[in-house]
Amino acid sequence: AQSVAQPEDQVNVAEGNPLTVKCTYSVSGNPYLFWYVQYPNRGLQFLLKYITGDNLVKGSYGFEAEFNKSQTSFHLKKPSALVSDSALYFCAVRASNTGGFKTIFGAGTRLFVKA
Amino acid sequence: EPEVTQTPSHQVTQMGQEVILRCVPISNHLYFYWYRQILGQKVEFLVSFYNNEISEKSEIFDDQFSVERPDGSNFTLKIRSTKLEDSAMYFCASSSSLAGTGELFFGEGSRLTVL
Repeated sequence: AQSVAQPEDQVNVAEGNPLTVKCTYSVSGNPYLFWYVQYPNRGLQFLLKYITGDNLVKGSYGFEAEFNKSQTSFHLKKPSALVSDSALYFCAVRASNTGGFKTIFGAGTRLFVKA
Repeated sequence: EPEVTQTPSHQVTQMGQEVILRCVPISNHLYFYWYRQILGQKVEFLVSFYNNEISEKSEIFDDQFSVERPDGSNFTLKIRSTKLEDSAMYFCASSSSLAGTGELFFGEGSRLTVL
């Protein structure tokens, strides 16, 4: 069975500082990993994904994430946070060997960036 | 830019009534999904749909729920005999990748309130 853990309900960071939002996963077989962002009263928006290849993936709005197979982690990072980055962030996993292509989401981490 | 559209944006219904939530996925996408989110928290998988049939469903997706793609463009979620606990935001999503590597494109959601 697939599962995703986001150990922090909330992350607070000052504008201009680096940010990290943590994610660990459990899946049988090779994982496909995703990050999504949700602004208030909106749908989820795709940020970036890891499918294969380079462990460091870059995505929208200056975000990046590093796939670490040994630690089963896929932490989201950004070198310099903006107030406009404040939102709800979801890590998600899909098993590469599932025909249904079900994507499972973590519980979400709320990011607050203070000016 | 192509987008997933959902109607209605908000529906209020009485307990025991039937509700149909509608979605128009992105036109060249092949995989369709319904998720729900209660109180802005965890995003829960309900069902995935491919080639005019359900490919996977969660424990939540019991006999009360059904999905249909009646005309090649719309993708609907029907909830029979609604219960109070069905109150949630329901998101439709679609994806294009045959290999399951594609990210999900979400609609803005349909808020269901069961009284």
